[in-house]
Amino acid sequence: QSVLTQPPSASGTPGQRVTISCSGSSSNIGSNTVTWYQQLPGTAPKLLIYSNNQRPSGVPDRFSGSKSGTSASLAISGLQSEDEADYYCAAWDDSLSGRVFGTGTKVTVL
Amino acid sequence: QVQLQQWGAGLLKPSETLSLTCDVYGGSFSGYYWSWIRQPPGKGLEWIGDIYHSGSANCNPSLKSRVTISVDTSKNQFSLKLSSVTAADTAVYYCARGYGDYEDHWGQGTLVTVSS
Repeated sequence: QSVLTQPPSASGTPGQRVTISCSGSSSNIGSNTVTWYQQLPGTAPKLLIYSNNQRPSGVPDRFSGSKSGTSASLAISGLQSEDEADYYCAAWDDSLSGRVFGTGTKVTVL
Repeated sequence: QVQLQQWGAGLLKPSETLSLTCDVYGGSFSGYYWSWIRQPPGKGLEWIGDIYHSGSANCNPSLKSRVTISVDTSKNQFSLKLSSVTAADTAVYYCARGYGDYEDHWGQGTLVTVSS
């Protein structure tokens, strides 16, 4: 059961900027940090952004994260073909006392 | 570098118990929490639960009555048991290492199919 809402799809041409939203509530995004994962077809999710806007080493600076209130966003600038993947946001939920994931967004490079 | 290698039965009958284990190679086992997450075919991710190296565990409330997560620090491994499985439990199950509010290393995933 996903309590974080994402658009099902997003697309852009190579070089464009794509933004993915993640909408939650005061018990999750509103009071905890947001994480973003990238899942390439047939593979395990990969950590992309943590603590709202931090990139692990090795993640290109084309990927950036932000958070405001009960929503968060992932931006991909200079879109590349290898960015075609599913993207998930996640956060801890204080009401559920558990981790919740977003519904997922499939990014297509046209 | 840290690697998580998971293993367990991939085909179960309804009412049986799912059992998966994740071996952790490289890095420290202490100071992290160790998670299980699943993904039904074609669907999104669902957190199952996690356990600290000390043995303190948290579980998804919707699965809590059927889930047991355990850790064996002497073997650098942790395990998941899910009882009374049904077709709705068919999914790819992932183990992962958690640090703070995120999982930074994931296992390769195990497809578990429940079918009579």
